[in-house]
Amino acid sequence: DAMVIQNPRYQVTQFGKPVTLSCSQTLNHNVMYWYQQKSSQAPKLLFHYYDKDFNNEADTPDNFQSRRPNTSFCFLDIRSPGLGDAAMYLCATSRGLAGRTDTQYFGPGTRLTVL
Amino acid sequence: GEDVEQSLFLSVREGDSSVINCTYTDSSSTYLYWYKQEPGAGLQLLTYIFSNMDMKQDQRLTVLLNKKDKHLSLRIADTQTGDSAIYFCAETPENTGFQKLVFGTGTRLLVSP
Repeated sequence: DAMVIQNPRYQVTQFGKPVTLSCSQTLNHNVMYWYQQKSSQAPKLLFHYYDKDFNNEADTPDNFQSRRPNTSFCFLDIRSPGLGDAAMYLCATSRGLAGRTDTQYFGPGTRLTVL
Repeated sequence: GEDVEQSLFLSVREGDSSVINCTYTDSSSTYLYWYKQEPGAGLQLLTYIFSNMDMKQDQRLTVLLNKKDKHLSLRIADTQTGDSAIYFCAETPENTGFQKLVFGTGTRLLVSP
């Protein structure tokens, strides 16, 4: 039973053409995260939502935006993809527990290719 | 600052033990994690350890933490070919208000029959 679903699994876009990646969850978790993972590198947090509160990492480029219309869905929008944005994009969720470990559940990722 | 480092590659034979090492720099880290990533897949949480513990065992997995040296290790007993994957350690800095994970560079484990 899939808990964190990402669509599509593979996305090809052209340089400068906006693209949207989708994530949905069946866990009813409060927090949703987007990570960027380039080849042979560690995942890097772009931003997260705690409920409707959006939290951007300081070094996330302005080219990356996110929307969370409801608890279940979160979108990653790349306004003008460059060649350097080709990567695996991972979505994760967590309950948002304070003061204790809070397990993150990851989706399978969307691999973005920029031509 | 936050910096997590791992060796890039480890090769073992099936049935042997594997030890994957990790060093971190943030002394305020409260929790340290090990994640597994199989090819083309997301990350799966294997285990975690709280910073006031030295060791945690979970079936074939043993986590050792040396807080003084900021060194974390994951031992996999009786390694199987299905354990071949990339293993990431990660830390959660204290008082971030949410679980911000800082990942290491990942260790690719190859298990040969």
